[in-house]
Amino acid sequence: GAVVSQHPSWVICKSGTSVKIECRSLDFQATTMFWYRQFPKQSLMLMATSNEGSKATYEQGVEKDKFLINHASLTLSTLTVTSAHPEDSSFYICSATGLGEATYEQYFGPGTRLTVT
Amino acid sequence: DQQVKQNSPSLSVQEGRISILNCDYTNSMFDYFLWYKKYPAEGPTFLISISSIKDKNEDGRFTVFLNKSAKHLSLHIVPSQPGDSAVYFCAASAGSGAGSYQLTFGKGTKLSVIP
Repeated sequence: GAVVSQHPSWVICKSGTSVKIECRSLDFQATTMFWYRQFPKQSLMLMATSNEGSKATYEQGVEKDKFLINHASLTLSTLTVTSAHPEDSSFYICSATGLGEATYEQYFGPGTRLTVT
Repeated sequence: DQQVKQNSPSLSVQEGRISILNCDYTNSMFDYFLWYKKYPAEGPTFLISISSIKDKNEDGRFTVFLNKSAKHLSLHIVPSQPGDSAVYFCAASAGSGAGSYQLTFGKGTKLSVIP
């Protein structure tokens, strides 16, 4: 099946610094990637949708200047949390769909645990 | 307003018995439904899906039933195995044109299968 990887799997950073999270589709071309955030015992909340080569579409309430998303190639999307604060601590998960796939089905990465101290 | 609801946060079932996970939705535009399984600190794994034109889809031990009039779907796992213990998310899509589709997730139900 389709494999999506994320790097790093966990990261601890100091308040005020920026953190970049990578999401890669390993064996298929991902035309669209999604970024989710999950708080403990909460559902996955969609943050943004990114299509390769175009600007990401952010969900209401998500600050696009704080969560920078780049989808420069068909296999890589990055999420940069800028000027991170403790309230940004969360589990961030990406997913991807691709051409020729059953596009309702999203393939998820393993997630990245971000802790801001 | 939560459009996809999983009202049972947890469920315990004896090994070998049937597990039934329920999901309700409010958006009548949803036309495709999926179930994902998730272990702690991992991304969700796709399990099974169903289109709104069907009322049942079966894949091995997993069967999803859709009742459109009630806006309700359920996932049946039979027989339940200890390895099925995980959080199960119900997700729905309303479609967004050609290409890929955004999913709306429920809050999940934690299934524990007791050996």
